[in-house]
Amino acid sequence: GDSVTQMEGPVTLSEEAFLTINCTYTATGYPSLFWYVQYPGEGLQLLLKATKADDKGSNKGFEATYRKETTSFHLEKGSVQVSDSAVYFCALTFKNSGGSNYKLTFGKGTLLTVNP
Amino acid sequence: EPEVTQTPSHQVTQMGQEVILRCVPISNHLYFYWYRQILGQKVEFLVSFYNNEISEKSEIFDDQFSVERPDGSNFTLKIRSTKLEDSAMYFCASRHTGFMNTEAFFGQGTRLTVV
Repeated sequence: GDSVTQMEGPVTLSEEAFLTINCTYTATGYPSLFWYVQYPGEGLQLLLKATKADDKGSNKGFEATYRKETTSFHLEKGSVQVSDSAVYFCALTFKNSGGSNYKLTFGKGTLLTVNP
Repeated sequence: EPEVTQTPSHQVTQMGQEVILRCVPISNHLYFYWYRQILGQKVEFLVSFYNNEISEKSEIFDDQFSVERPDGSNFTLKIRSTKLEDSAMYFCASRHTGFMNTEAFFGQGTRLTVV
């Protein structure tokens, strides 16, 4: 079945450090790929997405490129801030036959802590 | 900004009791979901709901679980007889359209603790 594998956390960085959180996927067909973020005490929020191979999603300084050849969607940010401390989830969805359900399949989440 | 709201934020219940988790999706959304996350594990899909019926459910969503949209605004998840292993964070989500790339909006979650 479809699955998403994320880099194990937790990840602890100093402010202004470079961030990479690895994400690889297994899916039949061509999924859409997402990164969701969960700030403390809040729900899951969409951070960025990419819908086809070589697309780059970006938002708030974060970027991720849909790499079909390596089935990856790694999240990067050049200079993290304390306010980026959160749990980051990689996820995919694809079109099931016969419907528009588009459920999300998530990775385990990676806790990022950024220290001043 | 419209948001998905879930109540309660935390519920403690005794094993064998029934619980109802409540969600108010964004008002013009048509697709509704429940997910759960057991501590330290993946966020898992439970069920999707569209046009007043279940469109898909996972293996987890057995006969102990049911969903309803009783009044056109609330979307509820009922667990008939809770087990210890039902302890998890439950997330409600909604989407506006049936297009694959439409963002799913999530609530803050309800932490269910079964004792």
